[in-house]
Amino acid sequence: GEDVEQSLFLSVREGDSSVINCTYTDSSSTYLYWYKQEPGAGLQLLTYIFSNMDMKQDQRLTVLLNKKDKHLSLRIADTQTGDSAIYFCAEYYGNNRLAFGKGNQVVVIP
Amino acid sequence: GAGVSQTPSNKVTEKGKYVELRCDPISGHTALYWYRQSLGQGPEFLIYFQGTGAADDSGLPNDRFFAVRPEGSVSTLKIQRTERGDSAVYLCASSQRGTDTIYFGEGSWLTVV
Repeated sequence: GEDVEQSLFLSVREGDSSVINCTYTDSSSTYLYWYKQEPGAGLQLLTYIFSNMDMKQDQRLTVLLNKKDKHLSLRIADTQTGDSAIYFCAEYYGNNRLAFGKGNQVVVIP
Repeated sequence: GAGVSQTPSNKVTEKGKYVELRCDPISGHTALYWYRQSLGQGPEFLIYFQGTGAADDSGLPNDRFFAVRPEGSVSTLKIQRTERGDSAVYLCASSQRGTDTIYFGEGSWLTVV
């Protein structure tokens, strides 16, 4: 079955870069996603990467995919206080469902 | 609409009661999903619709849970004889044809007391 793992907590100073990591188990995953969830809110799609790509950059966000190790990371450059949230990675593997990790809470210190 | 809309945003109900949660997907999106998120966890898949039909309902925990999408747009998640363990955020999402970009609503917080 699907098993997406994430570390739980990250504290970062405003202006620094933050890196969130995720491992997944299904090598047939077609898309991998990063979602952001602020307190009491739904999931906001941040970015996604197709499985045949190694890297995707979108403004302050950089996604790196290592298919060999089934490792996905999200780097946020110049982290802002508004980036404080829980970040979920998710894999989509073609049977019309996403498998989510437990999330990684990022706290930005001013 | 501009995004996925869910109502109610919050619902408190007594154990044993019946609950309906509504989802309005993004206009034109044929794929619709329901997920459930318990406290401190990531969302877990419940059911997927492509058009009017439930293409995959294997995530529904038991027969107290049922969902419909009669006209291929709005969907209703129905929970009978609610239990305290049903307390969670119920998230709806939609996409075009079930591919790449899947957008979530704000969720419906259900508390069973």
